[in-house]
Amino acid sequence: QITLKESGPTLVKPTQTLTLTCTFSGFSVSTSGVGVGWIRQTPGKALEWLALIYWDDDKRYSPSLKSRLTITKDTSKNQVVLTMTNMDPVDTATFYCVHSVRGKGCSGSMCYFFDYWGQGTLVTVSS
Amino acid sequence: QSVLTQPPSASGTPGQSVAISCSGSSSNIGSNYVYWYQQLPGTAPKLLIYRNNQRPSGVPDRFSGSKSDTSASLAISGLRSEDEADYYCAAWDDGLSGHWVFGGGTKLTVL
Repeated sequence: QITLKESGPTLVKPTQTLTLTCTFSGFSVSTSGVGVGWIRQTPGKALEWLALIYWDDDKRYSPSLKSRLTITKDTSKNQVVLTMTNMDPVDTATFYCVHSVRGKGCSGSMCYFFDYWGQGTLVTVSS
Repeated sequence: QSVLTQPPSASGTPGQSVAISCSGSSSNIGSNYVYWYQQLPGTAPKLLIYRNNQRPSGVPDRFSGSKSDTSASLAISGLRSEDEADYYCAAWDDGLSGHWVFGGGTKLTVL
């Protein structure tokens, strides 16, 4: 079965860079039609999509955060890493790693959706 | 402020039916599939509806989704206490090279 788990610091200081690792099992991110992404949820509960990396190493980023985000994958380790630079207290959130799959009979980025979520990891930004 | 608009709250009594709306635009709901997620207290969101009206295996048929133009709706029939949760809609948006957008979430209370 598919499982994902996020790991990384629980507390970062303003201006620091956050690095989160998603370790997954039950699938390979090199399989056609598969992707792994990151979504965060603020304390107010709003969900915000951050980034998505596809099986072919194509990447998509949130337009509003693109300059601060980098997503990479390590197929041999079954891991996807997200880095977010210049952290600010408003970035305090629970970060989720998500499995993404391309819907049948569909092609293109819009065809991928999130069907499995990790448990999430709370990251607090404070000095 | 979320790109997709949902009512912040909804409620119903056990056995009743409720509907949660999700309003978007031509660049997201109007041209792409809608997805719904259920988030029970203290847990991660779970996929409830995909491609507008499809249920993953294990999701009861009490849950159904629909879409019309730039709006979508999640209907829950035969409301049960365990349905009390936050519900989110999501869709791909074709603007700005393409990105995912979410609704602000609807807190469903079973009275």
